[in-house]
Amino acid sequence: DAKTTQPTSMDCAEGRAANLPCNHSTISGNEYVYWYRQIHSQGPQYIIHGLKNNETNEMASLIITEDRKSSTLILPHATLRDTAVYYCIVRVSGTNAGKSTFGDGTTLTVKP
Amino acid sequence: DTGVSQNPRHKITKRGQNVTFRCDPISEHNRLYWYRQTLGQGPEFLTYFQNEAQLEKSRLLSDRFSAERPKGSFSTLEIQRTEQGDSAMYLCASSSTGGQTDTQYFGPGTRLTVL
Repeated sequence: DAKTTQPTSMDCAEGRAANLPCNHSTISGNEYVYWYRQIHSQGPQYIIHGLKNNETNEMASLIITEDRKSSTLILPHATLRDTAVYYCIVRVSGTNAGKSTFGDGTTLTVKP
Repeated sequence: DTGVSQNPRHKITKRGQNVTFRCDPISEHNRLYWYRQTLGQGPEFLTYFQNEAQLEKSRLLSDRFSAERPKGSFSTLEIQRTEQGDSAMYLCASSSTGGQTDTQYFGPGTRLTVL
């Protein structure tokens, strides 16, 4: 699986949008971009994933650049409960899929 | 709650003892994964199963570690002769290959402390 690069940490004001970037310049055509978050001492929580189109669900939006070499996770109205470590991974999906390779993620701190 | 469950949530043991963790995947998920996570690091892959077949094992999985999924449902991860370096959070995830993508869903983890 391709590797990803994320900033170590970011701050965001409560109520504002949090934009978390991820670089995945070596992504292959059949690899999806997945985002998870992990609140202290809990298991990673799935947020969203996409292949090449932008995606939105009740938790977040995922913007993938046209060349697919980078993406941005957007939390539209961050709350204090969104404080967590956010992981961006790229992974083949479907029957040929396997493990996920995690980096160290971005620690997002939402401040009042 | 129909998510992935793991037991126990916490385990404290003495060095040299054997420990066993259990993971119950989401119903009907045919894939089950084990990861290990140490403080400040992202999860590291250990092994995964498709049904009862163990398809991949990481080099991290030394001969003291063994995982089973005998009936393609729940799985166990056993660590023999535990060492202090085994102290970590052990995470289980499951997924289904039945759809277009097989998103992995994680359990709450088992935190192991080896004294």
